[in-house]
Amino acid sequence: EVQLLESGGGLVQPGGSLRLSCAASGFTFSSHDMSWVRQAPGKGLEWVSGISGSGVSTYYADSVKGRFTISRDKSKNTLYLQMNSLRAEDTAVYYCAKDRVVSNSPRDGMDVWGQGTTVTVSS
Amino acid sequence: DIQMTQSPSSLSASVGDRVTITCRASQGISNDLAWYQQKPGKLPNLLIYAATTLQSGVPSRFSGSGSGTDFTLTISSLHPEDFATYYCQQSYNMPLTFGGGTKVEVK
Repeated sequence: EVQLLESGGGLVQPGGSLRLSCAASGFTFSSHDMSWVRQAPGKGLEWVSGISGSGVSTYYADSVKGRFTISRDKSKNTLYLQMNSLRAEDTAVYYCAKDRVVSNSPRDGMDVWGQGTTVTVSS
Repeated sequence: DIQMTQSPSSLSASVGDRVTITCRASQGISNDLAWYQQKPGKLPNLLIYAATTLQSGVPSRFSGSGSGTDFTLTISSLHPEDFATYYCQQSYNMPLTFGGGTKVEVK
């Protein structure tokens, strides 16, 4: 069974840091691009960051560029999101999601999502 | 960045109704569009990709159409389990962007 399991969320003060992890299983992790998507309380979905299967290419939403860093560890089948200089507006449930197609194919949607981990930025 | 605009933001419907949701891209995105369903407290679920292709396991009452800038998600006959929020998302280029969502509520 294909599964994604996030961890690392919690309460952090403004300006603080947090690292989210997403453990993948049931598929060839390095073959698929991955993304982090967040959802603030009562709001819609916001794509945050993405990374290619190889880890060479990374992408960010303008709202997090320069503050967040996405990475992946092939040996651990794990996706990460390092979040620095956190702000109140970063408060959200953070999901990791797998691209439906393999890397280097035209992307067309995210077919597997983790259960989410909650990040709360507050003093 | 490509902006995705959904309409309406919410609608009220009854079981059996035909429901149509629209998504407009700020520039042409070919057919690089996906639709997701999200129920309260649950994960987003991929319904349709490449604008018109039904994801495996999704009921055939769901359909997608469109290309370029204008897209539509149609539910041919609303079932009780279809009351949810629906999002479009473009994968034409980075950054990926979602529409604001359409909440389908009970009339």
